[in-house]
Amino acid sequence: GENVEQHPSTLSVQEGDSAVIKCTYSDSASNYFPWYKQELGKRPQLIIDIRSNVGEKKDQRIAVTLNKTAKHFSLHITETQPEDSAVYFCAASIWTGNQFYFGTGTSLTVIP
Amino acid sequence: EAGVTQFPSHSVIEKGQTVTLRCDPISGHDNLYWYRRVMGKEIKFLLHFVKESKQDESGMPNNRFLAERTGGTYSTLKVQPAELEDSGVYFCASSQAPGLAGGLQTQYFGPGTRLLVL
Repeated sequence: GENVEQHPSTLSVQEGDSAVIKCTYSDSASNYFPWYKQELGKRPQLIIDIRSNVGEKKDQRIAVTLNKTAKHFSLHITETQPEDSAVYFCAASIWTGNQFYFGTGTSLTVIP
Repeated sequence: EAGVTQFPSHSVIEKGQTVTLRCDPISGHDNLYWYRRVMGKEIKFLLHFVKESKQDESGMPNNRFLAERTGGTYSTLKVQPAELEDSGVYFCASSQAPGLAGGLQTQYFGPGTRLLVL
């Protein structure tokens, strides 16, 4: 089955700096890659997703890039703010499949 | 629109006891998923319902876990008897049925039930 690895497990950045979280996947059939943000005590919420027919997607300060050949995808947050502090999970899935395969999460701390 | 809700938010039980978790998906969502996160590890798939039918239960750890979705609305996940390694956060998620063109729909997560087995 699919195996998703996520790095780093923890990340601290100064407010205003950029943060990058990287994930790799093993199953070349995976073609849908969502990113979830979980703030302390709250539910995981989808913040951005990308499908395998595009290499990059951007939404304001958040962007995701996908390299299908290398089987890796990354989340980029620019101009970080304290409210970006949370645990971020990457996931992979087959477009017509069912379950999401998640990474182990990255705890991001933005230092004011 | 109300989101996915889960009950209880926390549960502390002793080894050998029974616990039942409940999930109410977003109204109209045919797909319902159960996931579990053990501390520090990935969110791991348990099973998937389409309406009242189990589409995929390949992630269920063993026969101490029983999931139901009577009538295709809310779902319950029962652990009987609970063991120490069952501790973790149990998430429920739901999504709409695929559209006419097929394809995966976004999964919306509930807040989770934090289960601690002592």
